[in-house]
Amino acid sequence: AQKITQTQPGMFVQEKEAVTLDCTYDTSDPSYGLFWYKQPSSGEMIFLIYQGSYDQQNATEGRYSLNFQKARKSANLVISASQLGDSAMYFCAMREGRGGATNKLIFGTGTLLAVQP
Amino acid sequence: DTGVSQDPRHKITKRGQNVTFRCDPISEHNRLYWYRQTLGQGPEFLTYFQNEAQLEKSRLLSDRFSAERPKGSFSTLEIQRTEQGDSAMYLCASSLTDRASNYGYTFGSGTRLTVV
Repeated sequence: AQKITQTQPGMFVQEKEAVTLDCTYDTSDPSYGLFWYKQPSSGEMIFLIYQGSYDQQNATEGRYSLNFQKARKSANLVISASQLGDSAMYFCAMREGRGGATNKLIFGTGTLLAVQP
Repeated sequence: DTGVSQDPRHKITKRGQNVTFRCDPISEHNRLYWYRQTLGQGPEFLTYFQNEAQLEKSRLLSDRFSAERPKGSFSTLEIQRTEQGDSAMYLCASSLTDRASNYGYTFGSGTRLTVV
């Protein structure tokens, strides 16, 4: 069964430093997608970055990068130059298949990031 | 385009009452999803629609839950005879079929339900 594991319930980071949020996944489908979302206290899920299982390079989006290690089934999020506004809950999620018939996302339990000034 | 809108933002109801939530997706998005998120957990999939057809329902969606998307635009999620265990954030999201593989969904801000 597909599963997402986030082992860090909470993390602290100093402003302007980099932080890595861990995510491991389990799936038997060779085609899948991995997502990271940010959820501030307002509740909205904000899309950050996507990595496809067949992508050769690690995804990057501004200060966000995804450290994709397929053999280890890990998809860690790296946030560089942390800002106070990065304080939020972060969720890793996985979608099996190529976005066709099965499109639902499976989420991890999240990591609460606190950026300290 | 104002994104995905959900109404109400907050709902407090007494146990046993019925509640209905509304979701207005991004207008050109043909897929619409409902998720439930309890405290300290990630969102859990409930159901999704492609246009007006409800294509998949989670086993989490008991007989007391019903969702509709009558004209393939907005959707409603109704919970009958609410129980305290229904207290959660209910999130709606939408996507375009051909873009979902890369960009996932656009989520609304959710409806927070408290059953007392």
